[in-house]
Amino acid sequence: AQSVSQHNHHVILSEAASLELGCNYSYGGTVNLFWYVQYPGQHLQLLLKYFSGDPLVKGIKGFEAEFIKSKFSFNLRKPSVQWSDTAEYFCAVKGMDSSYKLIFGSGTRLLVRP
Amino acid sequence: SAVISQKPSRDICQRGTSLTIQCQVDSQVTMMFWYRQQPGQSLTLIATANQGSEATYESGFVIDKFPISRPNLTFSTLTVSNMSPEDSSIYLCSVEEGSYNEQFFGPGTRLTVL
Repeated sequence: AQSVSQHNHHVILSEAASLELGCNYSYGGTVNLFWYVQYPGQHLQLLLKYFSGDPLVKGIKGFEAEFIKSKFSFNLRKPSVQWSDTAEYFCAVKGMDSSYKLIFGSGTRLLVRP
Repeated sequence: SAVISQKPSRDICQRGTSLTIQCQVDSQVTMMFWYRQQPGQSLTLIATANQGSEATYESGFVIDKFPISRPNLTFSTLTVSNMSPEDSSIYLCSVEEGSYNEQFFGPGTRLTVL
């Protein structure tokens, strides 16, 4: 069965600091990978996605993520965070070979201090 | 992306009662999903609802507790039956669309059971 691990549960950064949130998954076949963001009081939004091709994908608001197949990882990065990036970030994986289910990690709460 | 609405947005219910949550999509979609997000937790898939067939429930969720209807390609309901305080959660509707089967989420229904 597929699973997703997010290593950082809470991250606190100052504005302009660089961000990297870890995500590792467990699944033996082809996967689609996603990062979702949930801003305070708002609903879940798709931040970026990987389906195939270039393993470095760019999303909205300056976020990017790199798929490293050998490490089963899909870490989220942003070179310089802003106060408005304060949110909860969820990594999610969908196994494409036999399961259509989108499985979420436990989430990372990011607090950016002005 | 599809626009997804849910009713009610929030409710406070008494133990032992039932609540039906509606999910409306502005386009026809084959697959709809229902998730639960318990306080401080990640999203857990309750069931998958395809039009014209019985919903498929995940481990730990049963039809008697969470009956689902899917009468057409734009609408679904989830009922939380015989509620207890442990059912206090956000319930989210999700749909899959696009050539890469991206999944989008509704705003959620915040349920509090007293």
